[in-house]
Amino acid sequence: GDSVTQMEGPVTLSEEAFLTINCTYTATGYPSLFWYVQYPGEGLQLLLKATKADDKGSNKGFEATYRKETTSFHLEKGSVQVSDSAVYFCALRDSGYSTLTFGKGTMLLVSP
Amino acid sequence: NAGVTQTPKFRVLKTGQSMTLLCAQDMNHEYMYWYRQDPGMGLRLIHYSVGEGTTAKGEVPDGYNVSRLKKQNFLLGLESAAPSQTSVYFCASTPNPTNTGELFFGEGSRLTVL
Repeated sequence: GDSVTQMEGPVTLSEEAFLTINCTYTATGYPSLFWYVQYPGEGLQLLLKATKADDKGSNKGFEATYRKETTSFHLEKGSVQVSDSAVYFCALRDSGYSTLTFGKGTMLLVSP
Repeated sequence: NAGVTQTPKFRVLKTGQSMTLLCAQDMNHEYMYWYRQDPGMGLRLIHYSVGEGTTAKGEVPDGYNVSRLKKQNFLLGLESAAPSQTSVYFCASTPNPTNTGELFFGEGSRLTVL
């Protein structure tokens, strides 16, 4: 079955540091890939997505590139802010399916 | 613009009690989902619905039932609550997952079973 593996957290960084959160996946078809973010006390919200190989999703300074050869979709940001502290979930939707499979989430803590 | 609304937001139950979580969306979305979120486990799909009157099992359906009598509402029921069902429950909806794939989530319902 489909699965998503994320690096375990928490990831602790100082403000303005570079961020990478690793995500790899297994899927039987041609999945779409997503990053969702959950701020404290809130539900998840879509951060960015990519629907085919070599696509780059971007939003709010975050980027992720769909790498089919390495089955990866790593999340990056050049300079994190305290307000980026949240839990980040990588997810996939396999072709032909109407449900998303989520990774376990990675908590990011950014200190001033 | 309410989006996805879950009620109640907090609930404490005793083992064996029953309850229903209500999810309401005002975006006319076809698809609705119930997930549970547990530490170290991420989000796991319980049940989902692809339209009014339909339901389907997800990854962890045991101990839960659902109903989608109206397009805007998706109910999650626990007939006999167990401590293993202590969790945070999230409802989500989307117009068409094969189009954008974006799910719109509620703020969650925290359930504790003693």
